[in-house]
This record gives sequence, structure tokens and C-alpha cells, in this order.
Amino acid sequence: QVQLQESGPGLVKPSQTLSLTCTVSRDSIKSGSYYWNWIRQPAGKGLEWIGRIYTNGSTNYNPSLKSRVTISIDTSKNYFSLKLNSVTAADTAIYYCARGYSSLSRVWFDPWGQGTLVTVSS
Amino acid sequence: IVLTQSPGTLSLSPGERATLSCRASQSVSSNYLTWYQHKPGQAPTLLIYSASSRASGIPDRFSGSGSGTDFTLTISRLEPEDFAVYFCQHYGSSPEFTFGPGTKVDIK
Repeated sequence: QVQLQESGPGLVKPSQTLSLTCTVSRDSIKSGSYYWNWIRQPAGKGLEWIGRIYTNGSTNYNPSLKSRVTISIDTSKNYFSLKLNSVTAADTAIYYCARGYSSLSRVWFDPWGQGTLVTVSS
Repeated sequence: IVLTQSPGTLSLSPGERATLSCRASQSVSSNYLTWYQHKPGQAPTLLIYSASSRASGIPDRFSGSGSGTDFTLTISRLEPEDFAVYFCQHYGSSPEFTFGPGTKVDIK
């Protein structure tokens, strides 16, 4: 069963770039008609979808973050990545990656990674 | 589209029935309404997709229903492992995905 694991620095300074990687294991990132997502959850708040990438490199971003976000994928190494620049304390959150599937009749994210806490602080 | 979930917290005992609500700010396709379970420190897990279809391996005590703007997740008899946060998700456009704030089901 496919597994996802987030990794990256847990502390980022304000104005710098947050960089995270999601490693996909037990299956190829290219298998099936999936896309790969980043989602975050600030403490005490709801989930916010950041964006997604398909294996062909096509991306969609949340308009509220689009100017600061880049999601990339390395299919040869089975991982995808998130970069969020010009971070502030408001970007402090647990960041999750998740595999997504959409068709005309259904949509789901499964599985998700366990999440990684990123704190923005000097 | 904004998703609102109620109640914020539901305090129940094992064996009781839990009824959780997810309301959309405008009518949405039930095909694109999904429910997840989230336990602290763990990865969220897929429960229900297309408003009423159970994901693989999900016990039949979990059921989903609804259409238009009102959707419900029901847990018929709470097991100890069911105490968690439950959130709904909608797939639409710009942003493509939105989530409800979640309902916490805790032990009374």
C-alpha cells in the first residue's frame, strides 16, 4: 500500500523560503491517474489546500497562495516538493502531502502523510 | 464555496450514535463531497466519497448521506477508535479544494 512521508526543516525564518519534500514509497508516483497535493493546517484552524501537481508537471494552486508557491515533481526519484517563499508567522502550520484522485463521479485524497510541523520564527 | 460543520464538538459515549453535519454555502455536486477521519498525530484517512460511498476497509457503521447544501456523516454505534476529528471536503473550482473546519467527537 502506497505511503507518503513529508520531510524538511521544522523551523524557517521570516521572509525565507519554506521547502518540503513528500516521498512516495511502496508504489511508483507515476502509477495510476493520480495527482499529488500539499495541504496545511495552522494550529487551531481548518485545513487549507495549497496546490497539486500531476506527473506530467501540470500544476494548480490555491489563488490565495499562488504568488508564493511552487510545486515540483521528480518521477525518477518518486517524490514531489513544495516551496513557499516570503514566509511569515501566518505560514506556521502542519503541512501534509496527499495523493489525489478525481473523476466525474468521485474525488478523494488517499493516502495522506502524517504531516510535518513547520514554524516560522526568527 | 464555504463548508460549515456542526457541531464543533460532539460528546458521546461508546455505543451511541453520532450525527455530523457538513453544510455548503451553495449547492454542490454530491459526487464531490468527501469525508475524512483525523486522529491527533496521525495521517487523515478517507472515510466516505461521493457523499455516501464508503472507502475500502471502512466499517459499515460509517455512512454518509445528503445532497445540495446539506450532508451528513453518521456513525451508528461509536467504537473507542472512532473518537477523532471528522472533516468534509469539496472539490470545486478556484480553489479546487475546500475543507470544513471539522467536528471533534470526544468521549463523554
